Amino acid sequence: GAGVSQSPRYKVAKRGQDVALRCDPISGHVSLFWYQQALGQGPEFLTYFQNEAQLDKSGLPSDRFFAERPEGSVSTLKIQRTQQEDSAVYLCASSLEGRRTYEQYFGPGTRLTVT
Amino acid sequence: KQEVTQIPAALSVPEGENLVLNCSFTDSAIYNLQWFRQDPGKGLTSLLLIQSSQREQTSGRLNASLDKSSGRSTLYIAASQPGDSATYLCAVMGGGADGLTFGKGTHLIIQP
Repeated sequence: GAGVSQSPRYKVAKRGQDVALRCDPISGHVSLFWYQQALGQGPEFLTYFQNEAQLDKSGLPSDRFFAERPEGSVSTLKIQRTQQEDSAVYLCASSLEGRRTYEQYFGPGTRLTVT
Repeated sequence: KQEVTQIPAALSVPEGENLVLNCSFTDSAIYNLQWFRQDPGKGLTSLLLIQSSQREQTSGRLNASLDKSSGRSTLYIAASQPGDSATYLCAVMGGGADGLTFGKGTHLIIQP
């Protein structure tokens, strides 16, 4: 079946622009996660959804970052007034049910470059 | 705060060798541990998931072990092949976070 998909795969933004990154999880997966991966580093957790509820946003680096999943399927990560330090790969993952015991499946990521 | 460390950071070995990648974590109160591989410019591919109650998992030439009390996991790769070249990431769920906490990875090169 189809895996996790993300769009766009690459995004170049000028500093100060707003961007929106999309994630389509595996159909039927309840849990959805966003991660940020800087060059040469492991991914870092940003936020977690269970269905449409955002249960944890403790990893969002600033109030310029906002995520939503209004119908419990597709999710969007929005970054306002982008800064150079926001340049990274943004990864989305989904899992079947509760966050703690199930395997997470990752999408290919969106590489964001802020110039 | 959970911290995950992977050793070595990089490894280059001839084809055919057996090898071990190491992962350690600071908070033993985990729910599970996952090993992933990441190819350049690509997302993460899940290799093995070990629940906290398990000691090891096997898939083909891969075997992962978990010693929760000591905060350690190893990934054993048998009869390595050039196609195994990638970055291998270890990640744990638990220890206070709602998402996975990752190490920085081991960059593995298998020489033909």
